[in-house]
Amino acid sequence: DAKTTQPNSMESNEEEPVHLPCNHSTISGTDYIHWYRQLPSQGPEYVIHGLTSNVNNRMASLAIAEDRKSSTLILHRATLRDAAVYYCILRDVIVMYSGGGADGLTFGKGTHLIIQP
Amino acid sequence: DADVTQTPRNRITKTGKRIMLECSQTKGHDRMYWYRQDPGLGLRLIYYSFDVKDINKGEISDGYSVSRQAQAKFSLSLESAIPNQTALYFCATSDARRGAQHFGDGTRLSIL
Repeated sequence: DAKTTQPNSMESNEEEPVHLPCNHSTISGTDYIHWYRQLPSQGPEYVIHGLTSNVNNRMASLAIAEDRKSSTLILHRATLRDAAVYYCILRDVIVMYSGGGADGLTFGKGTHLIIQP
Repeated sequence: DADVTQTPRNRITKTGKRIMLECSQTKGHDRMYWYRQDPGLGLRLIYYSFDVKDINKGEISDGYSVSRQAQAKFSLSLESAIPNQTALYFCATSDARRGAQHFGDGTRLSIL
């Protein structure tokens, strides 16, 4: 499986934008880029996903490099509630929709985002 | 009410005991998963199920078994618990079409 590389931790101030990077240089053409986050004492929470084009939803934006070897999760205005571990995960679209092969998420260590008031 | 409910939330037991962790969902999803998380690490997949008749081993299935009693229920069993199975366990569900997984709040299991 293609792997991702994220910084161990990042720090930002409340009400400022946050850019969380992820490198995935061995990404394949059928890999979607997914982001999840895990708040303290909770299960992971889906944030956003994309394939090639930039994506926006109510939680965040996902900017994908033209060569797809990196991506950035953007929190436009961080709040204290956004303090969490953020995971960048690749999911093969064929496995995801057909059920062929293992269909679990492969979590790395993620980025621990600290928000300062 | 939570969409994905795990019971119990916390459990302390002794080595050699049989333990069952239960997961139920109200999302109507066909796929269900069990993960384990150790301190400072990401989640690792134990078992997953695409429907009631389909059970598949994940990355770390040794020492665990599962049962999919209904579309909404997926239980994880430790037949003879050992201390290195002390961890946080998460159940998740997904809709095959949408792909996003939805997690419960976890079961913290301690084996003495």
